[in-house]
Amino acid sequence: QSALTQPASVSGSPGQSITISCTGTSSDVGSYNLVSWYQQHPGKAPKLMIYEVNKRPSEVSNRFSGSKSGNTASLTISGLQAEDEADYYCCSYAGSTNLVFGGGTKLTVL
Amino acid sequence: QVQLVESGGGVVQPGGSLRLSCAASGFTFSSYGIHWVRQAPGKGLEWVALIRFDGSNKYFADSVKGRFTISRDNSKNTLYLQMNSLRAEDTAVYYCAKENGWEGDIGYGINVWGQGTTVTVSS
Repeated sequence: QSALTQPASVSGSPGQSITISCTGTSSDVGSYNLVSWYQQHPGKAPKLMIYEVNKRPSEVSNRFSGSKSGNTASLTISGLQAEDEADYYCCSYAGSTNLVFGGGTKLTVL
Repeated sequence: QVQLVESGGGVVQPGGSLRLSCAASGFTFSSYGIHWVRQAPGKGLEWVALIRFDGSNKYFADSVKGRFTISRDNSKNTLYLQMNSLRAEDTAVYYCAKENGWEGDIGYGINVWGQGTTVTVSS
């Protein structure tokens, strides 16, 4: 199973919005509404930010939102804040009870 | 407090074996599938294995199939990962991680992560 494709890096200024894309195939992202997104700060464990494409855990800010179109999922962060600077990973169910992660995107808040 | 605590990491020679453990607390362990996810130094996340809530089925990434086994003891709220024939490319932080989906549901996000345990395969 090949990793999902994410941009290596994105950046934005405080208060701006950014979008991170996650491209898979018709065997994973395109077939299931089971895409999740994780935030990881250096030296820390990942944190679930979005699940089932666009659902948000109660403890996650509503500045984070998810969507999907065809084989590509997206994570949008609005009103960027300094603490949003982190690595972000997408993940999709890929059938046969397998999961596949994206390569990760480093978000820099300028 | 919902928590996963891994242990058992260390330095092992290529071809060697290691068993990781993951102790769960704060939730009904026997009702959820549990994953192992690893992260090589400076690299991204890689899904490694999954065991269903009742231990009935186990699934592995191609990169570890035939070398790693996963098991759980629901009476002890503990998960295990037996790693054999270890290679340098298995060097990583290994996370124990709880599936968000209830019982047999998989892919609904990973909502609880352990702090990770480091495995280094080197001669």
